Amino acid sequence: GNSVTQMEGPVTLSEEAFLTINCTYTATGYPSLFWYVQYPGEGLQLLLKATKADDKGSNKGFEATYRKETTSFHLEKGSVQVSDSAVYFCALSRNSGNTPLVFGKGTRLSVIA
Amino acid sequence: NAGVTQTPKFQVLKTGQSMTLQCAQDMNHEYMSWYRQDPGMGLRLIHYSVGAGITDQGEVPNGYNVSRSTTEDFPLRLLSAAPSQTSVYFCASSPTARGGEQYFGPGTRLTVT
Repeated sequence: GNSVTQMEGPVTLSEEAFLTINCTYTATGYPSLFWYVQYPGEGLQLLLKATKADDKGSNKGFEATYRKETTSFHLEKGSVQVSDSAVYFCALSRNSGNTPLVFGKGTRLSVIA
Repeated sequence: NAGVTQTPKFQVLKTGQSMTLQCAQDMNHEYMSWYRQDPGMGLRLIHYSVGAGITDQGEVPNGYNVSRSTTEDFPLRLLSAAPSQTSVYFCASSPTARGGEQYFGPGTRLTVT
């Protein structure tokens, strides 16, 4: 079946540090891949997405590249800010059928000044 | 556009009580879904709907009922609340289930005592 595995947190970084959150997936066919972010007390919102192999999604300084050969979609940011403190979820959606999003368990990021 | 709205924001129930969590979207999305979020478990799909009159079970459907009489509304009913249903509940909608981004509501925090 479809599944997403992401690194466990929490992750604590100092401001301006480099961020990587690992995400790997298992799926048949060619899924679309997403990163969602959840700020404290809020619902999830889409951060970035990629719909085919070698696509790079980017938004707000975050990037992730769809790597079919390693079935990965790692999230990166070159210089994190305190305002990036949140929970980050990797997710996949198949491009056929009625299969909804499948989420990883989330990684909590805390950025300290 | 209000997007996806959920009511109530907070709710406390006693074991055995029933209630309905409301969800509405004004984006004319075909696809709607309910998730629960528990610490360390990520988001788990409860029920989903691919259009008015069509619903299906997700990963954790027991103890919950849904119906979809209109495109806009997708209420979630707890028939007889149990402490194990203490969680944060999120409703989401999408133009399509196939490879598309989901838009999330702000969530309902439910406590069952």
